[in-house]
Amino acid sequence: DADVTQTPRNRITKTGKRIMLECSQTKGHDRMYWYRQDPGLGLRLIYYSFDVKDINKGEISDGYSVSRQAQAKFSLSLESAIPNQTALYFCATSDLARGYGYTFGSGTRLTVV
Amino acid sequence: GIQVEQSPPDLILQEGANSTLRCNFSDSVNNLQWFHQNPWGQLINLFYIPSGTKQNGRLSATTVATERYSLLYISSSQTTDSGVYFCAVGEAMDSSYKLIFGSGTRLLVRP
Repeated sequence: DADVTQTPRNRITKTGKRIMLECSQTKGHDRMYWYRQDPGLGLRLIYYSFDVKDINKGEISDGYSVSRQAQAKFSLSLESAIPNQTALYFCATSDLARGYGYTFGSGTRLTVV
Repeated sequence: GIQVEQSPPDLILQEGANSTLRCNFSDSVNNLQWFHQNPWGQLINLFYIPSGTKQNGRLSATTVATERYSLLYISSSQTTDSGVYFCAVGEAMDSSYKLIFGSGTRLLVRP
């Protein structure tokens, strides 16, 4: 099984719908992140979490919300999807205190029509 | 905020050739990582290298933090090395370990 699992892998949704992307990890890392990648660009940070009680906004949090249900689970919601939220979404974990860099999930390809 | 610039933006190599990818950053960092995104979109962590030199097989990386750059070396390139290489940094005064990504170097290795 993958260390960081994202579901779904692909999703097509309509404008205005609420959608949730889920991420779970088996690495035991405290820190989890949601990033967005647009074609031809690098990744931009949406939200990050240090632990279950700590949620922080990234550079592009408008239109998104998150929930850290447990140390191992971090979900991203689009409350009312719009077409410019069409992108590839990545969840990641890290434990740099122990020298481990980021581990990314396989990504969720979201299309809003 | 910190700026991350990668060069070259695109690179085409013949299989077996060597290459050097560069990452410049605008401020002090406590965290620098190199990633490979394969043609299927998967992101693989290559190196966590805020300073110094590391090697992993045909890949090696060097970060000179005082001069604000990092280099990724690919030797004896293979077609499976194709994809996009991202450099990402974390600001020195930021304890969150969140990363700021460069725009990437797109590498194509031809057989």
